Amino acid sequence: EPEVTQTPSHQVTQMGQEVILRCVPISNHLYFYWYRQILGQKVEFLVSFYNNEISEKSEIFDDQFSVERPDGSNFTLKIRSTKLEDSAMYFCASSGGQAVTDTQYFGPGTRLTVL
Amino acid sequence: GENVEQHPSTLSVQEGDSAVIKCTYSDSASNYFPWYKQELGKRPQLIIDIRSNVGEKKDQRIAVTLNKTAKHFSLHITETQPEDSAVYFCAARFYDKVIFGPGTSLSVIP
Repeated sequence: EPEVTQTPSHQVTQMGQEVILRCVPISNHLYFYWYRQILGQKVEFLVSFYNNEISEKSEIFDDQFSVERPDGSNFTLKIRSTKLEDSAMYFCASSGGQAVTDTQYFGPGTRLTVL
Repeated sequence: GENVEQHPSTLSVQEGDSAVIKCTYSDSASNYFPWYKQELGKRPQLIIDIRSNVGEKKDQRIAVTLNKTAKHFSLHITETQPEDSAVYFCAARFYDKVIFGPGTSLSVIP
């Protein structure tokens, strides 16, 4: 069964450094998402992406964040200047077909630790 | 803004009993409501979902009900087993945004 994959599984960085989190969505999916989950808290929506542009973003997704689909398979989340409070698990998800009702499949996550 | 509330935050049941988790959402435009189970350190796993044109859906021991007028939906797990212990999240989709509830930590006591 196809799965969403994410790399790395764990990223440790110094405050102020840039990080890029990578995701490979399910191959025939058209909609891509990033979420984050601070330890012990709920899953928070960051951004959705369709047709090579952002379709929705949350208040969390400020100018420090950007997303890109650099080729036909990868979907990346970049944090330009990391803060301590960016430490969290970041999940990528993808869905196919109709955006409004389709099922999202989550990747295994990247644990980001900012020191 | 969009919001999803979820109750209770923790739930402890005896093995074999039923568990019910309730959620409410704020935006009447939402028309897709998934439920996720998350075990410690793992990704959220979809266990069941319901769309707004359906009032109830069942999959073996799991059922979900939706009341669009009242903007609430519920998860029912019957004959609970220890392996059902996890955090359960409800969610509601608002256009291209999926908003999660705060989660319910379910413990099934053998």
